[in-house]
Amino acid sequence: AQSVTQLGSHVSVSEGALVLLRCNYSSSVPPYLFWYVQYPNQGLQLLLKYTTGATLVKGINGFEAEFKKSETSFHLTKPSAHMSDAAEYFCAVSDAGISYIPTFGRGTSLIVHP
Amino acid sequence: DTAVSQTPKYLVTQMGNDKSIKCEQNLGHDTMYWYKQDSKKFLKIMFSYNNKELIINETVPNRFSPKSPDKAHLNLHINSLELGDSAVYFCACSQDRGLLVSYEQYFGPGTRLTVT
Repeated sequence: AQSVTQLGSHVSVSEGALVLLRCNYSSSVPPYLFWYVQYPNQGLQLLLKYTTGATLVKGINGFEAEFKKSETSFHLTKPSAHMSDAAEYFCAVSDAGISYIPTFGRGTSLIVHP
Repeated sequence: DTAVSQTPKYLVTQMGNDKSIKCEQNLGHDTMYWYKQDSKKFLKIMFSYNNKELIINETVPNRFSPKSPDKAHLNLHINSLELGDSAVYFCACSQDRGLLVSYEQYFGPGTRLTVT
């Protein structure tokens, strides 16, 4: 069975500050990991994903995440927040090869202050 | 072209009615999903379906049923609507088999269902 924990339902940063959204997972097999973003009144869209290979993954809009197996983490970062980054962010994990159906975290709302 | 489309975008109806939400994907993906997102943004998977296998989240009431007329469509039918069914429903698809497997999900824009 797989699970995802996103620490902090809300994260507030100032424009230009570092963004750090935390995600920890549990999985019985090597996981596939994802971050999705949901802007108001829209569906989710993929920010980035880790399947195999390089553990530091770069995504769209300047976001990146690092897979740390020893810490079972896949935290999302961005060096400098922009007002347009304000959205809901979801971490997800799937046990590819056993079940492709992802498990989503409860989401973290990113608030960006001017 | 929109990869995953849903209709209607908004649906307001009364308790006890039966309604359907339509979903179409033009990505040629083999698996489609329905999710329910509540007012706290929690995303709950309801169904996963490809042309051979339907996987149902056991917590989903049997008033909900997916119907797939073909590989590109997965509609959601809801009988005897209840107040607690009010939520945003998302359709999604992914390619989970074969050489083009990617596992990432493509979501539709959502259907906001309000039951009064």
